[in-house]
Amino acid sequence: AQSVTQLDSQVPVFEEAPVELRCNYSSSVSVYLFWYVQYPNQGLQLLLKYLSGSTLVKGINGFEAEFNKSQTSFHLRKPSVHISDTAEYFCAVSDRNGANNLFFGTGTRLTVIP
Amino acid sequence: GAGVSQSPSNKVTEKGKDVELRCDPISGHTALYWYRQSLGQGLEFLIYFQGNSAPDKSGLPSDRFSAERTGGSVSTLTIQRTQQEDSAVYLCASSLDPGLRTEAFFGQGTRLTVV
Repeated sequence: AQSVTQLDSQVPVFEEAPVELRCNYSSSVSVYLFWYVQYPNQGLQLLLKYLSGSTLVKGINGFEAEFNKSQTSFHLRKPSVHISDTAEYFCAVSDRNGANNLFFGTGTRLTVIP
Repeated sequence: GAGVSQSPSNKVTEKGKDVELRCDPISGHTALYWYRQSLGQGLEFLIYFQGNSAPDKSGLPSDRFSAERTGGSVSTLTIQRTQQEDSAVYLCASSLDPGLRTEAFFGQGTRLTVV
């Protein structure tokens, strides 16, 4: 079975500063990895995903994440955050061999301070 | 519709009552998921439907919870004899590709409050 750990429940950061949201996973099989974002009073939407190929994945709104197999991590980064990036961010993992489920972490609340 | 639709958006019920939550997935999406989002708990997987295959019910927390999907489209999550700990936001998602190589689209959720 897969599991996802998001160590930081809350991350405050000043506007225009860089940010990294950490995600570690555990799995006995190869996985797909995802980051979803939930803006206030909105549903979850996909930010980016890693399926195969390049370990650096670029998503919407200037976010990117890097898959590190040896460290079983998929940290999310943005070089300069905006107020509008304030949201809850969820890391998720899926077994690429057919379990077809999506396991989520507990989420990280990013608050951008003006 | 254009997205995943869930109804009702809010539901307040008395402890011990049964509730039904509805999910209309995106047309053509064969995979459908139910999750529960509790404060500080992240998203907890409940159940997964894929086409005509037997659903993966491994996430259902108790036998008070059940779900069905009729005609490969609309799904209903039923909670019998609701308890206060059932209070949460129940999210539904659908995906075109059962292997999740494509995006899973989420509905806005149903906020359930058991009083």
